[in-house]
Amino acid sequence: QVQLVQSGAEVKNPGASVRVSCKGVGYSFTSYGITWVRQAPGQGLEWMGWISGSHTNYAQKVHDRVTMTTDTSTSTAHMELRSLGSEDTAVYYCARVNVMWQTFDVWGQGTMVTVSS
Amino acid sequence: SYELTQPPSVSLSPGQTARITCSADVLSKQYAFWYQQKPGQAPVMVIYRDKERPSGIPARFSGSNSGTTATLIISGAQAEDEADYYCQSADSSGTWVFGGGTKVTVL
Repeated sequence: QVQLVQSGAEVKNPGASVRVSCKGVGYSFTSYGITWVRQAPGQGLEWMGWISGSHTNYAQKVHDRVTMTTDTSTSTAHMELRSLGSEDTAVYYCARVNVMWQTFDVWGQGTMVTVSS
Repeated sequence: SYELTQPPSVSLSPGQTARITCSADVLSKQYAFWYQQKPGQAPVMVIYRDKERPSGIPARFSGSNSGTTATLIISGAQAEDEADYYCQSADSSGTWVFGGGTKVTVL
């Protein structure tokens, strides 16, 4: 069964960094990209960026604070966000990108990141 | 910045047809995608490339793109279709963006 399994919830202090993981299961991990999307409480979806092979493209809003990587040996993608503020409190989703069709066709279960002192 | 505009909410009775719009300046040059999200769940793709339906998505979901406006159509809405719906597209640099979302209420 194709799925993306994300790491558990995180609570961070303002100014800290967080790293969220996303493991691809049941498919050829290197044949697809991974995108990251977040959703603040009660708000809409916000695209953060994506990674495909060695290529990355980040949203302007977070480009100076985010790094997306993949570890093909473990079929896992990672998203690190630095200098956290309260506005970064959100559920973070990873999704598989079918590069040919530009679709986000499989989503992870989401990881809640809470930024609070 | 590139923005996609959706109506905040749509209400309809079971069996009626819902039309959810997504507007932008240059939507005609990019495909539109639609995602359904129910409370506490991850989004699910219901339409890709303007009008294509993924396997497993009911035929009552369809889509169109007339140029500057993409439309998601739910023909004969059912109670289970109550959810938030987001359109998504890309700007000329390949940066993706989501619309603000539309809450569909079926009552």
